[in-house]
Amino acid sequence: AQSVTQLGSHVSVSEGALVLLRCNYSSSVPPYLFWYVQYPNQGLQLLLKYTSAATLVKGINGFEAEFKKSETSFHLTKPSAHMSDAAEYFCAVSQNPFSGGYNKLIFGAGTRLAVHP
Amino acid sequence: EAQVTQNPRYLITVTGKKLTVTCSQNMNHEYMSWYRQDPGLGLRQIYYSMNVEVTDKGDVPEGYKVSRKEKRNFPLILESPSPNQTSLYFCASRPLTGSTEAFFGQGTRLTVV
Repeated sequence: AQSVTQLGSHVSVSEGALVLLRCNYSSSVPPYLFWYVQYPNQGLQLLLKYTSAATLVKGINGFEAEFKKSETSFHLTKPSAHMSDAAEYFCAVSQNPFSGGYNKLIFGAGTRLAVHP
Repeated sequence: EAQVTQNPRYLITVTGKKLTVTCSQNMNHEYMSWYRQDPGLGLRQIYYSMNVEVTDKGDVPEGYKVSRKEKRNFPLILESPSPNQTSLYFCASRPLTGSTEAFFGQGTRLTVV
């Protein structure tokens, strides 16, 4: 069965500091991996996705994530935090449809990012 | 504009009073699903549908019903709501081929008193 673990339910950084949000997954088949962001009172917006092409994926708003198969990780980073990055971030995994199945997105519990001046 | 539209955005109701949350997408996606979001638990899938008239249970289906009579619509029905169904609900759609990410509605915050 697939699962996602996000380490740290709350992360606080200073404006301009590095953002690192951790995500580890388990999957018996090659996964597709996603990071979504949720701003207050809004739905989920896709930040970036890994679908078995380049292992370093660049997304919107300066975020990027690296797929590391050996570590089963897909950590989200941004070199310099901005106040507007304050939100909740969700890592999600789904099965690669070319690996024999198509199933749901499985989400981690989320990490709330606070950015202080 | 490609979007998933949920209504209502906010709803307060009483225990046992049937309610329906509507979801509509304009992207011709085959796959639609409902999630509930609770603090510390992330999003958990309630029901999903692979196409018209094809629905199946997700991880937390108890107390919910769905229907998929048209490709664009996927309503969530609570026949007899209870306080433990107080939550934030999201509808999402994805195509079965091509682009793989899900597109989410704005959410419905439901309070059952």
